[in-house]
Amino acid sequence: KQEVTQIPAALSVPEGENLVLNCSFTDSAIYNLQWFRQDPGKGLTSLLLIQSSQREQTSGRLNASLDKSSGRSTLYIAASQPGDSATYLCAVSTDKLIFGTGTRLQVFP
Amino acid sequence: ETGVTQTPRHLVMGMTNKKSLKCEQHLGHNAMYWYKQSAKKPLELMFVYSLEERVENNSVPSRFSPECPNSSHLFLHLHTLQPEDSALYLCASSPKMGQRETDTQYFGPGTRLTVL
Repeated sequence: KQEVTQIPAALSVPEGENLVLNCSFTDSAIYNLQWFRQDPGKGLTSLLLIQSSQREQTSGRLNASLDKSSGRSTLYIAASQPGDSATYLCAVSTDKLIFGTGTRLQVFP
Repeated sequence: ETGVTQTPRHLVMGMTNKKSLKCEQHLGHNAMYWYKQSAKKPLELMFVYSLEERVENNSVPSRFSPECPNSSHLFLHLHTLQPEDSALYLCASSPKMGQRETDTQYFGPGTRLTVL
């Protein structure tokens, strides 16, 4: 059974710091891995999608990597801003999306 | 805006009430999903519809009854709920059912449900 774990559960950093969020999964048979952002009480917004044959994807200040063999992904956020404060969810795609419990990020001025 | 809308955004109901959640997608997608998000738990997939046919029911109690009258609309009918059913209910859509290399899902803002 596929399980997705995210560490840390919560993170608080000052503005301007570079940070890394971690995601691990137990079964490497995935189609892709996705990172989503969720603002409080709201739906999910897709940030990055890494196909199983890819190693990384970049969008602006965000960079996500995928190491399928070790069952790990990282989301790197450069020069963090208060507007980055949200919960970040990792999900792996098999015949459906399996989500982790998320990392709640707070960036303070 | 993701192109997926949900109403109502907030709902408070007693255990004996009957209510319905509505989801509408304006993206021309063929698959729609209901998820439940409880505090400190991963999103739980409840139901999947593809081309208006239910293709997955993840052992959801019968007090939750989905309906998909067409590919753009999805409902979740609620009756005799329990307090532990209080959660954020999210609707999503995707171009087609089943995840492949490039497919992702587009989520609505959710309905915050409180059962008293």
